[in-house]
Amino acid sequence: DVKVTQSSRYLVKRTGEKVFLECVQDMDHENMFWYRQDPGLGLRLIYFSYDVKMKEKGDIPEGYSVSREKKERFSLILESASTNQTSMYLCASTHRGASYEQYFGPGTRLTVT
Amino acid sequence: GIQVEQSPPDLILQEGANSTLRCNFSDSVNNLQWFHQNPWGQLINLFYIPSGTKQNGRLSATTVATERYSLLYISSSQTTDSGVYFCAVEHTNFGNEKLTFGTGTRLTIIP
Repeated sequence: DVKVTQSSRYLVKRTGEKVFLECVQDMDHENMFWYRQDPGLGLRLIYFSYDVKMKEKGDIPEGYSVSREKKERFSLILESASTNQTSMYLCASTHRGASYEQYFGPGTRLTVT
Repeated sequence: GIQVEQSPPDLILQEGANSTLRCNFSDSVNNLQWFHQNPWGQLINLFYIPSGTKQNGRLSATTVATERYSLLYISSSQTTDSGVYFCAVEHTNFGNEKLTFGTGTRLTIIP
């Protein structure tokens, strides 16, 4: 069964903390994506990666960085969390050339206080 | 970038009713998908439909690529259909396998 997992369902952090969100897929997918979801705004792409050690900025990369050291794992890093980064974060993955078959993780609801 | 608009933003229906959700997009696409996000946040792909019509049980979708819109039909609604429905597209020339999502339609089915 296809699976994308995320390290936490709920996370509460303080302003200024460094935050790591982890995403793991077991489908040998080349492409991995990080989105954030906010009410009324839909899903917006933060960063994506086509391969190990490769990354590209999405539509809203400011305040975030990513790491992809292994094919199955894609990490989203908030270097210094701020209250406007309170959101639902969703990870997804696909095979290269198969954007029509994007699998999502369950999401991490991050609250920054 | 490409713009994706969904309507209506909210829809409340009685169980058993039918509904039509609309997605308009501003440029040519080589990928259009409909997703359902359940109340627990999980996104599930419903249809891959860059053009034409597909049906899956009570759900069907139609995309008219030349007129840049897609419709999702839900017949005989059930409470389990509640959630948010997203349309997502990949821009033909600038997509690079990235999806751009609309803002969603929140559907609530009342027993």
